[in-house]
Amino acid sequence: AQTVTQSQPEMSVQEAETVTLSCTYDTSESDYYLFWYKQPPSRQMILVIRQEAYKQQNATENRFSVNFQKAAKSFSLKISDSQLGDAAMYFCAYRSALASNYQLIWGAGTKLIIKP
Amino acid sequence: KAGVTQTPRYLIKTRGQQVTLSCSPISGHRSVSWYQQTPGQGLQFLFEYFSETQRNKGNFPGRFSGRQFSNSRSEMNVSTLELGDSALYLCASSLATGREAFFGQGTRLTVV
Repeated sequence: AQTVTQSQPEMSVQEAETVTLSCTYDTSESDYYLFWYKQPPSRQMILVIRQEAYKQQNATENRFSVNFQKAAKSFSLKISDSQLGDAAMYFCAYRSALASNYQLIWGAGTKLIIKP
Repeated sequence: KAGVTQTPRYLIKTRGQQVTLSCSPISGHRSVSWYQQTPGQGLQFLFEYFSETQRNKGNFPGRFSGRQFSNSRSEMNVSTLELGDSALYLCASSLATGREAFFGQGTRLTVV
């Protein structure tokens, strides 16, 4: 069975600085997807970034980028130029690439606090 | 394009009652998944429907059930509610060939 671990329950960063959230996972599959989702106080889960396991290049979306280390089963999220609106719970999630399985397996989440 | 819509947003029920939650996916999305989110257990997968068929099911008791209609709208039902069923229930939809799941705002269920 696949598992996802986020070892940082809470992180804080000064506005405009850079912060990295950690995620490790365990799987025996060779093809899968990894995601970072953001959940602000409004509770809606918002996709931040996606990484396909077969791609060696790290995904980037504006101020958000990942460091994907497939051999180490590590998938960290870097947020550059942190903004007050980035404050939220961040969840790392895994999904098999099997077409018949859309189940997301989640980490416990990291609460990100932005200090003005 | 409208997002995933969940109704109702808030619900208060009494132990022993049953409840039905509704989810309307993004137009064109045929996969609908349900998740339960609690402070103690985190996010847990309930089930996934694709073209009206349950394709995957999480480790929840039979009191939790769901269905999907021909227009891809989905409902989940919880019978004989227990205090521990109090949670945020999230619905997500995906394209048939999709990689991302798009979420609704959730239904906050409180069982008293």
